[in-house]
Amino acid sequence: RKEVEQDPGPFNVPEGATVAFNCTYSNSASQSFFWYRQDCRKEPKLLMSVYSSGNEDGRFTAQLNRASQYISLLIRDSKLSDSATYLCVVVGSSNTGKLIFGQGTTLQVKP
Amino acid sequence: DAGVTQSPTHLIKTRGQHVTLRCSPISGHKSVSWYQQVLGQGPQFIFQYYEKEERGRGNFPDRFSARQFPNYSSELNVNALLLGDSALYLCASSFSLAEGSPLHFGNGTRLTVT
Repeated sequence: RKEVEQDPGPFNVPEGATVAFNCTYSNSASQSFFWYRQDCRKEPKLLMSVYSSGNEDGRFTAQLNRASQYISLLIRDSKLSDSATYLCVVVGSSNTGKLIFGQGTTLQVKP
Repeated sequence: DAGVTQSPTHLIKTRGQHVTLRCSPISGHKSVSWYQQVLGQGPQFIFQYYEKEERGRGNFPDRFSARQFPNYSSELNVNALLLGDSALYLCASSFSLAEGSPLHFGNGTRLTVT
């Protein structure tokens, strides 16, 4: 079983749609979680951290379910510029900054 | 301020050769990590260095090695290149090892092994 699993998609949605991505992780001891965004042939960039209480940043909402070991990202009112690959990330060890990335979920927003 | 810089941006090598990739972290950042990203996959952790010491190593063969210099820049070396080493190699820096310390990635070095 992979340490972090995501549905690779692609998710093809029209502008204005709401889309949700899920991610599961295997290590129940994991404490820190993130969503990164990666544009085609570019480096990953931090989109947002994921907190137990859930957190929102504009049109983006991230949630964590520790009991089920899954993380979600909700994007409301999708824009063309949201088209990218979204990477679910879990910190692998508490004494290093090692990040464990999922495969990534590709989102294509169409006009 | 300059972000994480990596060189070269692209590289073509043949099987059996070795390669050295370079990374300069954001000024003030003491931790540098290396990741390999094969097409269609998420980045895979290779190494992490903090204050010039190795603090983490991923599941990569001994052909992969790295080091960090006193100015916190870093090199990743890969010997005896294989076709499967073709990938985007990403360097990331962070201020500390704290879990919440965000990683800042460079643009990457795209290595093609023929």
